[in-house]
This record gives sequence, structure tokens and C-alpha cells, in this order.
Amino acid sequence: AQSVTQLDSQVPVFEEAPVELRCNYSSSVSVYLFWYVQYPNQGLQLLLKYLSGSTLVKGINGFEAEFNKSQTSFHLRKPSVHISDTAEYFCALRAKGGYQKVTFGTGTKLQVIP
Amino acid sequence: DGGITQSPKYLFRKEGQNVTLSCEQNLNHDAMYWYRQDPGQGLRLIYYSQIVNDFQKGDIAEGYSVSREKKESFPLTVTSAQKNPTAFYLCASSTRTGNTEAFFGQGTRLTVV
Repeated sequence: AQSVTQLDSQVPVFEEAPVELRCNYSSSVSVYLFWYVQYPNQGLQLLLKYLSGSTLVKGINGFEAEFNKSQTSFHLRKPSVHISDTAEYFCALRAKGGYQKVTFGTGTKLQVIP
Repeated sequence: DGGITQSPKYLFRKEGQNVTLSCEQNLNHDAMYWYRQDPGQGLRLIYYSQIVNDFQKGDIAEGYSVSREKKESFPLTVTSAQKNPTAFYLCASSTRTGNTEAFFGQGTRLTVV
């Protein structure tokens, strides 16, 4: 079985400051990893994904994430946040091989303070 | 454009009534999912289907039912047995293999009064 842990339920940060949203996972097999963003009353949109290769993945809106296999982490970062980044962010994984469903973390609400 | 369509966006029902939420996709995806979202609880999987005419219970299937008669469609029925049905419901689809992300609809907010 797989699981995803997002340790921070809420993260307040001032505008133009850097931010890191943490994601740790547990799996007995190799996984693909994803970060999604959700704005109020909307569905989830993909920010970025790690499939293989370089452990530093760049996504949309200036976000990036780094896959760390030894620490089973996939933290999301942005060097300078904007008010428009205020949203909820979800980390997710799918196990490699076979037919696997997507497993999500509980989400982190990012509040950007002007 | 390809995508997932959930309808309606807002739905109101009286307590004790069954209600069906629609989810249609034209992405040619085999797998489809239903999630429930409540404040502070993230996404909880209700049902998922990897192929037509087959589906599995997720973590909170009690009080819900689904069907998968067509590849494009995966409707969710919230029955009167669901004790607390007021929530935001999200439908998603993906390929069956893991190296692609899930694509989401815009959600349906169900309010039971």
C-alpha cells in the first residue's frame, strides 16, 4: 500500500517571500509523483510531475519540486510567491507497474499575505 | 478540447432523496474516479473504475453507488443511506498505467437540506 503525508495543513507566507510545501510518501515499490493546485470551488490542476530522470522538476507558475528517494520526499518550492498563489496544494503518487490508482495527501493551504 | 465535465456545478436536494452526479470525459481514459472533499480532510476516494463494467470501492463507499456502462461516463449516486452527503464532489480520469496524471472535473457542490 502507498501513502502520502503533507505535514503542514496551512502555510502563511508574505508576498515575494520563498515558500516550501512539504510532501513525504511511503511505498514498497517505485512511484510517480505529482503536485496539484486547487483554487476555491474548482477542480485540481497539475502543477508538475516526476516520472524519472532529473530529480529537480520544474512546473507551471514558477514552481519546482525535488525528488529525494532516500528521504522519500517530494517538496514543492517557489522562490517568490504572489497573491495569486493563494490556493490549496495536493501531493499525489501512483505506483509504477500494473494498474494503479492515484493516492493523494491531505493538502496544504497556502495563504499569501500582502 | 478534451476534458472532464461534471454537472451540475451546484446541486440542492432534500434529505432522504437519492441524487445522481454526472461525470463525462472525452480523453479516452480507461480509469475514472470519484472523490469527496470536506474542509480539512483532503480528497477521499469513494469509488474508482479501471475499465468499463468494472469498479471498486474506495475508502468511503458506504451510501454511494456507481455504474460504468460506457468508457466516457461514470455517474455517482448519493443514496439516502449516506449520513452526511453535503460536500464537494470531484470526478477524475486517467490512463490505467501510472506514468500519467489524473485529470479533474470542476466539481459538484452538493447541499442536502
